[in-house]
Amino acid sequence: EVQLVQSGAEVKKPGESLKISCRVSGYSFTSNWIGWVRQMPGQGLEWMGSIYPDDSDTRYSPSFQGQVSISADKSISTAYLQWSSLKASDTAMYYCARGLTGDGGRYFDYWGQGSLLTVSS
Amino acid sequence: DIQMTQSPSSVSASVGDRVTITCRASQGISNWLAWYQQKPGKAPKLLIYAASSLQSGVPSRFSGSGSGTDFALTISSLQPEDFATYYCQQANSFPPRFGQGTKLEIK
Repeated sequence: EVQLVQSGAEVKKPGESLKISCRVSGYSFTSNWIGWVRQMPGQGLEWMGSIYPDDSDTRYSPSFQGQVSISADKSISTAYLQWSSLKASDTAMYYCARGLTGDGGRYFDYWGQGSLLTVSS
Repeated sequence: DIQMTQSPSSVSASVGDRVTITCRASQGISNWLAWYQQKPGKAPKLLIYAASSLQSGVPSRFSGSGSGTDFALTISSLQPEDFATYYCQQANSFPPRFGQGTKLEIK
């Protein structure tokens, strides 16, 4: 069974750093893209970027380029989303999602449960 | 960037109704379109990809159509578990972008 299990909810202060994780199981981690999607409170879905764990090829949305960093550790089948300096506007739910096999990861067929981030002073 | 516009933003319907939600791309995307369902407090679920391909395990009452700039998601006979928010997503070009969502509510 394919599973993506994300790290838990976080409460942070502006300016702090954070790395959230997405551990996968049930398939070969290096065979599919992993994407990250933001959902701000009461809002829609925004694609932030994706990584291909086999070679760490990473692509970012222009809206998030330079604001976050995406990485992966093949040895533990885990993808990460990282901030170096959080802002209140980063408050949101963050989902990781697996790219559908065979379509260059353009569609997302399995999703993590979400990691809720609250940034507040 | 390709912009995706869904309509309506919300719709009320009854169990057993046939419902169609539309999605328009700001430029042609061939058939590079997906539909997702999201229930409150849950992650999105892929329903349709490549405009009309039904994802494994999704009931056959869901269907997708369209090509180019205009697309539709149709639910042939609404079930209680179908009341949710639906999003389209273009996958033709970088960056992939979602529509703003359509909330399907019980009448």
